[in-house]
Amino acid sequence: SQKIEQNSEALNIQEGKTATLTCNYTNYSPAYLQWYRQDPGRGPVFLLLIRENEKEKRKERLKVTFDTTLKQSLFHITASQPADSATYLCALEWAGNNRKLIWGLGTSLAVNP
Amino acid sequence: KAGVTQTPRYLIKTRGQQVTLSCSPISGHRSVSWYQQTPGQGLQFLFEYFSETQRNKGNFPGRFSGRQFSNSRSEMNVSTLELGDSALYLCASLPGTGNTGELFFGEGSRLTVL
Repeated sequence: SQKIEQNSEALNIQEGKTATLTCNYTNYSPAYLQWYRQDPGRGPVFLLLIRENEKEKRKERLKVTFDTTLKQSLFHITASQPADSATYLCALEWAGNNRKLIWGLGTSLAVNP
Repeated sequence: KAGVTQTPRYLIKTRGQQVTLSCSPISGHRSVSWYQQTPGQGLQFLFEYFSETQRNKGNFPGRFSGRQFSNSRSEMNVSTLELGDSALYLCASLPGTGNTGELFFGEGSRLTVL
């Protein structure tokens, strides 16, 4: 079965630095990969979606890359701010999986002022 | 435009009881999905409804059920509650089935089973 791994350890970085989060998967490459942000006690909020045939996607300070050879997606936050502190989730959808998303457990990011 | 609304936000039940959770999707959205989130398992897909029909189902026991009404509002029910059912239950809406894209989540219903 498909598995997703995100850094289980919390990531602590200094304000202004670039945060890089990892999402690794096994077996087949997903058709779509999404990144969400979740704050404590709140529902996830969509950030970016990248398709299988796309290498990179950007939105303001956010960048997502998708490497089907390494079976990995990287999520970057440049010029990080304390307000970026949250848990970041990746979710994958495989073709033929009838639109069921499989989710990683998330990586907690703390940006220190 | 109002977001996804889930009620109740918090509830406490005892083992053996049953619970009903409600979700009102974004106006115009016809697809509603339900997820269970726990620290150890993360987000687990429960089911998806579109136009009052269940389109997808996750790997949960029959104690977990749901339905969708003609106005797209959805409810999920858990019967004979177990301690392991304690979780954050999240509802997400999409404009329609077959669309792959951004899921709009509600704030969730935090269920504690004692």
